[in-house]
Amino acid sequence: GAGVSQTPSNKVTEKGKYVELRCDPISGHTALYWYRQSLGQGPEFLIYFQGTGAADDSGLPNDRFFAVRPEGSVSTLKIQRTERGDSAVYLCASSSGGGLGVPDTQYFGPGTRLTVL
Amino acid sequence: AQSVAQPEDQVNVAEGNPLTVKCTYSVSGNPYLFWYVQYPNRGLQFLLKYITGDNLVKGSYGFEAEFNKSQTSFHLKKPSALVSDSALYFCAVRDISGSARQLTFGSGTQLTVLP
Repeated sequence: GAGVSQTPSNKVTEKGKYVELRCDPISGHTALYWYRQSLGQGPEFLIYFQGTGAADDSGLPNDRFFAVRPEGSVSTLKIQRTERGDSAVYLCASSSGGGLGVPDTQYFGPGTRLTVL
Repeated sequence: AQSVAQPEDQVNVAEGNPLTVKCTYSVSGNPYLFWYVQYPNRGLQFLLKYITGDNLVKGSYGFEAEFNKSQTSFHLKKPSALVSDSALYFCAVRDISGSARQLTFGSGTQLTVLP
């Protein structure tokens, strides 16, 4: 079946601009995650959705970043007033949503490479 | 808090030889442990996971990993490496008993299999 898809694959923007990154999870997956991967590093958690609500946004670096998932499927990560330090690969993952103590596996999309000039 | 260490940035091995990519972890409770592989300009691809039970976990493409609770390690292994195994490998952990659902990743190990 179809995996996690992300659009665009690449995004180049200028400092101070607003960007939106989209994630389409695996059909039926209730849990959705956003991670950010800087060059030479492992992915770092940003935010997690269970259904439509953000269950944990503790990884968002500041209030320029926010994400939505209005219908419990597609999610959009929004970055305001972009800075050069925001340049990274933004990864989305989805899972079947195992609860506390219930294992689930996160499946990742190909990522969006964001470059802020 | 949970953390992962991958002590080797780079591992080189000859094709046909066994390979090991090391990972140690730290969690407050019991761990879920994962290995992912990343090819250039691609997302992370799930290889295998440890939840409970048998300490030797078998995964995709002939990879396996050994969970060692006393050493808090989860090393990735393969008996005979292929050139096509060359990629970036990430170990990740999640605390079973914690409320956090996100994975914490190591910094990655670049595996190069030489022909």
